[in-house]
Amino acid sequence: SYVLTQPPSVSVAPGKTATITCGGNNIGSKSVHWYQQKPGQAPVLVIYYDGDRPSGIPQRFSGSNSGNTATLTISRVEAADEADYSCQVWDSRSDHVVFGGGTKLIVL
Amino acid sequence: QVQLHESGPGLVKPSQTLSLTCTVSGGSISTDGFYWSWIRQHPGKGLEWIGFIYNRGGTYYNSSLKSRVTISLDTSNNQFSLKLGSVTAADTAVYYCARGLQSSNWLDPWGQGTLVTVSS
Repeated sequence: SYVLTQPPSVSVAPGKTATITCGGNNIGSKSVHWYQQKPGQAPVLVIYYDGDRPSGIPQRFSGSNSGNTATLTISRVEAADEADYSCQVWDSRSDHVVFGGGTKLIVL
Repeated sequence: QVQLHESGPGLVKPSQTLSLTCTVSGGSISTDGFYWSWIRQHPGKGLEWIGFIYNRGGTYYNSSLKSRVTISLDTSNNQFSLKLGSVTAADTAVYYCARGLQSSNWLDPWGQGTLVTVSS
């Protein structure tokens, strides 16, 4: 089955840029979606189709996808961005929705 | 806008069947182009996809759960449901329902989630 690998945690100072990676075999050939989940809340879609933002998501959130790595970038990080971030793809070989293990973004 | 809300027992005994319902408001579950999904999250862990059902009834299930899972539609009440049989403590989790876009497979929006504990 297809596996997505994320770092358990990423730390960043306020105002700096956070980069969260999502690794998978030839993930660049798939569409990657990203979710933000704050404690006790449901996940919220923040990036779809690798780099598009739903309405209401700040422009500080961006994404890219190439080769074996997809990346979520959060610019000018704020304390309110502290959350778990999970990547997701559709694996057409197994007909499964696949999630990465999630990355906890820690704002120092 | 479309909103989803999970409901069902918060406590299920081992070996019994877990049954949850997701009520959709602000839109019809019969609308073409979408599917209706269940996802769970074990305490302190990542998201695990359980399965989904298309508006016309076709289903896809996680192979690791397929033998125990049934997802069905109730179009008259604009709801869809999850049944997970022969539960054990390992099925204790927060269960979410979500809408998926068929053409791209992203999930949005999500329900608020409901904690189901398996215990005698």
